[in-house]
Amino acid sequence: KAGVTQTPRYLIKTRGQQVTLSCSPISGHRSVSWYQQTPGQGLQFLFEYFSETQRNKGNFPGRFSGRQFSNSRSEMNVSTLELGDSALYLCASSLGDWGYGYTFGSGTRLTVV
Amino acid sequence: AQSVTQLDSQVPVFEEAPVELRCNYSSSVSVYLFWYVQYPNQGLQLLLKYLSGSTLVESINGFEAEFNKSQTSFHLRKPSVHISDTAEYFCAVSDPGSGGSNYKLTFGKGTLLTVNP
Repeated sequence: KAGVTQTPRYLIKTRGQQVTLSCSPISGHRSVSWYQQTPGQGLQFLFEYFSETQRNKGNFPGRFSGRQFSNSRSEMNVSTLELGDSALYLCASSLGDWGYGYTFGSGTRLTVV
Repeated sequence: AQSVTQLDSQVPVFEEAPVELRCNYSSSVSVYLFWYVQYPNQGLQLLLKYLSGSTLVESINGFEAEFNKSQTSFHLRKPSVHISDTAEYFCAVSDPGSGGSNYKLTFGKGTLLTVNP
């Protein structure tokens, strides 16, 4: 069974640009969550989607957005990139019930220069 | 809001020694608790979880954690570590009592476990 796939693995962008990251969950998983990991702030929750609906959102500015498609694949977008957006962005999927836990992808390493 | 404190940012130990990684969370009526492990340049792997029932939970690779409600703790232990256990370990909590919309994990800052030969 394939795991959670995130693309691309590495990305370098310039300040002011926008970026889109992609996440393909495990087959059959309907919940997808996104987290930002930085050395200073650690792991922070961005948002969670279930069946194309955003169920929860973290405390990030509106420049961070996401969506989920009917096949459960998810994308997150960051507009007007800032240096502080440099981070490892992790996607996690789940069947949607807490009993199964979340399975994380390997992440996308975003560097803003 | 929930918070998680991992009391040690780094724990160095020798191979075959026992280890305990400490985790405390802010009080709540009920919580779900998790330990994840992250190897370099990889994502997070679920090590073990507590949802309900027995307060002692075990993983397949010898780790165990005990839920202590009175002390709001969920410490991770292993009686004998291996070099391959070197990684960063994250404790996480979720509050199911906040309603079905609260499907999010709040993580601690992580503990880097370094196992030396």
